[in-house]
Amino acid sequence: GAVVSQHPSRVICKSGTSVKIECRSLDFQATTMFWYRQFPKQSLMLMATSNEGSKATYEQGVEKDKFLINHASLTLSTLTVTSAHPEDSSFYICSARDFARGGPETQYFGPGTRLLVL
Amino acid sequence: AQSVTQPDIHITVSEGASLELRCNYSYGATPYLFWYVQSPGQGLQLLLKYFSGDTLVQGIKGFEAEFKRSQSSFNLRKPSVHWSDAAEYFCAVGARDSSYKLIFGSGTRLLVRP
Repeated sequence: GAVVSQHPSRVICKSGTSVKIECRSLDFQATTMFWYRQFPKQSLMLMATSNEGSKATYEQGVEKDKFLINHASLTLSTLTVTSAHPEDSSFYICSARDFARGGPETQYFGPGTRLLVL
Repeated sequence: AQSVTQPDIHITVSEGASLELRCNYSYGATPYLFWYVQSPGQGLQLLLKYFSGDTLVQGIKGFEAEFKRSQSSFNLRKPSVHWSDAAEYFCAVGARDSSYKLIFGSGTRLLVRP
């Protein structure tokens, strides 16, 4: 089946530093990838939609300059949390959509990355 | 505004008992509807989906869900729960436009008693 990986699975960083999270589709090409944020015991909140070769579309209230998204290839999207602060600590999840495999309405999710900012 | 409500934060059932997880949505038209399961260390796994047609949909792992337009509901059911079903369950609606965005409910944590 379609597999999406994320790296790293966990990361701890100091306040003020930047952290990059990778999302890869391992066995399919993802024209669109999505980035979500999940707070403890809460739902997934869509942060942005990433289309290969174009700029990401951010949801209302998400800071574009803080959460940099790059989708440079059909199998890789990256989320960089710049100048991270403790309030950025969260669980970040990506998903990838493969029109050819699952239909346009189905997304395949990565296992998530837990970020802790000290 | 589009929204998804899962009124039960936690549900505890005994192994072998039946299960129903509730989901209500608010959407301008009939959305795409999904149920996902989230287990620790694993990505969200799609249990089932409703796009159109038969309102009772079958999914993986013995789950089914019924779309009721009049109640704006898409409840998930399983006739006999297994201990391995303990996890977090999310209902989601998907936009029927080119964005393919998903809006998730707050989730229901299922605990299974031996």
